[in-house]
Amino acid sequence: QVQLKESGPGLVQPSQTLSLTCTVSGFSLTSYNVHWVRQPPGKGLEWMGRMRYNGDTSYNSALKSRLSISRDTSKNQVFLKMNSLQTDDTGTYYCTRDGSPYVMDAWGQGASVTVSS
Amino acid sequence: DIVLTQSPVLAVSLGQRATISCRASQSVSISSINLMHWYQQKPGQQPKLLIYRASNLASGIPARFSGSGSGTDFTLTIDPVQADDIAAYYCQQSRESPPTFGGGTKLELK
Repeated sequence: QVQLKESGPGLVQPSQTLSLTCTVSGFSLTSYNVHWVRQPPGKGLEWMGRMRYNGDTSYNSALKSRLSISRDTSKNQVFLKMNSLQTDDTGTYYCTRDGSPYVMDAWGQGASVTVSS
Repeated sequence: DIVLTQSPVLAVSLGQRATISCRASQSVSISSINLMHWYQQKPGQQPKLLIYRASNLASGIPARFSGSGSGTDFTLTIDPVQADDIAAYYCQQSRESPPTFGGGTKLELK
């Protein structure tokens, strides 16, 4: 059974760094791509970036200067780090599996992040 | 980036047909492959893949959901609408990076 689960701090102070972990099961990170997608409260979905099965990464150009995605295949984990957080980074952050190029066929439950002092 | 436009709200009666549209700022089709996908998101839940490549039903999705379209204009149809279908629906294109989503259509009961 394919599963993804996000974890991380629910509260981050402005200007600080967000660190999230996506732990996957039921599939291999060396066979599938994993994306990060976020959603501000009451708003739509925004693609943030992708960890490819071969270890390559790609990022949304709007976030590229602040964002880093990495992984530990031995632990079945993908990591997101984003610095210089502001209040408009508040929202729910999802990791998703890519079942076909950029088709997100499985989603984690999401990690709620609030940026506030 | 490719911009996807959806109407914000659609009101429908139970048992009737719902037609949700998505228009792209440029073609998202390559030859006969239509790189448009649809997701359902119920309140408080993560999105779920409904339709991929415009017309293919994802695993476990009921046959009352269907998709159509090509080029820049795509449609998600729910027929008949059931109470469990009240949710937000998002289109997403994979023709170009970055993948982009429509703003979502909230399906409401009339």
